[in-house]
Amino acid sequence: NAGVTQTPKFQVLKTGQSMTLQCAQDMNHEYMSWYRQDPGMGLRLIHYSVGAGITDQGEVPNGYNVSRSTTEDFPLRLLSAAPSQTSVYFCASSRQEDGTNYGYTFGSGTRLTVV
Amino acid sequence: EDQVTQSPEALRLQEGESSSLNCSYTVSGLRGLFWYRQDPGKGPEFLFTLYSAGEEKEKERLKATLTKKESFLHITAPKPEDSATYLCAVRLSYSSASKIIFGSGTRLSIRP
Repeated sequence: NAGVTQTPKFQVLKTGQSMTLQCAQDMNHEYMSWYRQDPGMGLRLIHYSVGAGITDQGEVPNGYNVSRSTTEDFPLRLLSAAPSQTSVYFCASSRQEDGTNYGYTFGSGTRLTVV
Repeated sequence: EDQVTQSPEALRLQEGESSSLNCSYTVSGLRGLFWYRQDPGKGPEFLFTLYSAGEEKEKERLKATLTKKESFLHITAPKPEDSATYLCAVRLSYSSASKIIFGSGTRLSIRP
């Protein structure tokens, strides 16, 4: 039972480079989200998805793109990396039944440094 | 503006010394409040969901309670393995289930 798998675990980028953070879940969860975590600022929502083909912006979407072509995968793309995007990125998924929102299952995170 | 505030930022306790962590929220409509535990270098781990004022949930030495303006995470007779950062999050009433905002957390340290 893999849960939520994020790759890579660590990444160093140069300013202006682009890359994709991968996220996959094997629990058939409808909801998936991307958060970034910075010291003293908690987790901030970047983008989220309520199902395949449906995505929406969170609190800090600028500089990031997402797509959801399948239930399992929710990749996060950095278009042109900036030092301000240095952070730890978490992907999370959850299910919902009868209007009840269950807690998120989080991945182990990707630590990104932009130099 | 919707906001979630946790206090204290850090708390150091002696093993067996009970205490409480606070999560206060100012949101336009609460559809659920969550507590998570996060260990260093790992993703948050789900603990509880609370939906309405007066509700309580328990798990081992932890008990979460909810009022109309805040939630408390009570820890009774803690052990060193309870050391972690505890995060509070709220689901907003006008958004989809995925739009959940987090507080900045309380770092709990339990000394043997």
